Amino acid sequence: DAGVTQSPTHLIKTRGQHVTLRCSPISGHKSVSWYQQVLGQGPQFIFQYYEKEERGRGNFPDRFSARQFPNYSSELNVNALLLGDSALYLCASSRSTEGAQVDSPLHFGNGTRLTVT
Amino acid sequence: SQQGEEDPQALSIQEGENATMNCSYKTSINNLQWYRQNSGRGLVHLILIRSNEREKHSGRLRVTLDTSKKSSSLLITASRAADTASYFCATKAAGGFKTIFGAGTRLFVKA
Repeated sequence: DAGVTQSPTHLIKTRGQHVTLRCSPISGHKSVSWYQQVLGQGPQFIFQYYEKEERGRGNFPDRFSARQFPNYSSELNVNALLLGDSALYLCASSRSTEGAQVDSPLHFGNGTRLTVT
Repeated sequence: SQQGEEDPQALSIQEGENATMNCSYKTSINNLQWYRQNSGRGLVHLILIRSNEREKHSGRLRVTLDTSKKSSSLLITASRAADTASYFCATKAAGGFKTIFGAGTRLFVKA
């Protein structure tokens, strides 16, 4: 089975532009989470979606938004890019976030490396 | 702010030695997980320990959890050069949806 796939793998943008990052979860996984990882630090939680609804949001400004589609794929959008948005953006999927499958581990893609100049 | 804090931040050992990494967290949790990340790539899940478990093994990995101290440790026995990576603990708060990661321990195993 294919793992979590993210596109593009690398992206260079200019300050003020917007960007859309895409994620396809593992087949059968209904939960998708987005993380931002700055070099040398741990992943910072941005969003979690389950069954197309936002279930959690991290401490990020409103410039960051996301959505999940009926096929459970997801997009992360960032508007008005700042230099500080340069990071590795990771998408992770899991079977569920609740009920009997609360212990579902996260399965990560290899990320999108965003550079803002 | 991040839930977990790993200690040490960096660790350098010889091949064959054991590596121990520690994690502390702040709130009540459903489970605690350990992940590994090779440079610039996605994280790989290693092991999950539930809040009602105290110790868990998987191959050369041993994880302990002390909920009274809000801490966990990851032991890698007989380390190999291929174990060189960053290791992160992650927690899911009781009743919560999101999994929160610590800052990680960078392990370097010298051949």
